Amino acid sequence: AQSVTQLDSQVPVFEEAPVELRCNYSSSVSVYLFWYVQYPNQGLQLLLKYLSGSTLVKGINGFEAEFNKSQTSFHLRKPSVHISDTAEYFCAVVPIYNQGGKLIFGQGTELSVKP
Amino acid sequence: EPEVTQTPSHQVTQMGQEVILRCVPISNHLYFYWYRQILGQKVEFLVSFYNNEISEKSEIFDDQFSVERPDGSNFTLKIRSTKLEDSAMYFCASSPQPRGTEAFFGQGTRLTVV
Repeated sequence: AQSVTQLDSQVPVFEEAPVELRCNYSSSVSVYLFWYVQYPNQGLQLLLKYLSGSTLVKGINGFEAEFNKSQTSFHLRKPSVHISDTAEYFCAVVPIYNQGGKLIFGQGTELSVKP
Repeated sequence: EPEVTQTPSHQVTQMGQEVILRCVPISNHLYFYWYRQILGQKVEFLVSFYNNEISEKSEIFDDQFSVERPDGSNFTLKIRSTKLEDSAMYFCASSPQPRGTEAFFGQGTRLTVV
């Protein structure tokens, strides 16, 4: 079975500061990794994904994440956040073997950017 | 830009009543999903659907739940006899392929059982 842990439920930061949202996963099989963002009153939107290749992946809105297999982590980073980045962020995995593509989500991290 | 649409955005129902949550996936997608998020908890997988049949379901998805693609465009989730603990945000998603491609999510239906 797989599980995803997002270590911080809330992260308050000031505008233009850097931010890191942490994600660790547990799996006995290889997985694909995703970060989704949910803005207030909206659905989940894909930020970025890691399937294979370079362990540093870049996504939309200036976000990037680094896959670390030895630490089973996939932390999300942004060097300078904006007020508009205020949202809930979800880390998720899909086992490579899974035929149906079931996403397994972490608990979510609420990013609050203050002026 | 194509999007997944869900209706209604908010539904209030009495315990024991049947509800149907509706979704229109992106037209050329083949894989369809329902997830739910109870307030303050994780987004949880309920069911995946491909080629007009369930491909996987979670242990949450018991006999009171069913899914259907009645007309080739809509994808519905029916809860036969709602319980208080069914109160949650329900998300529909679709993707052109499983696993490595992006799942596109709708805005969700907030179900409140009273």
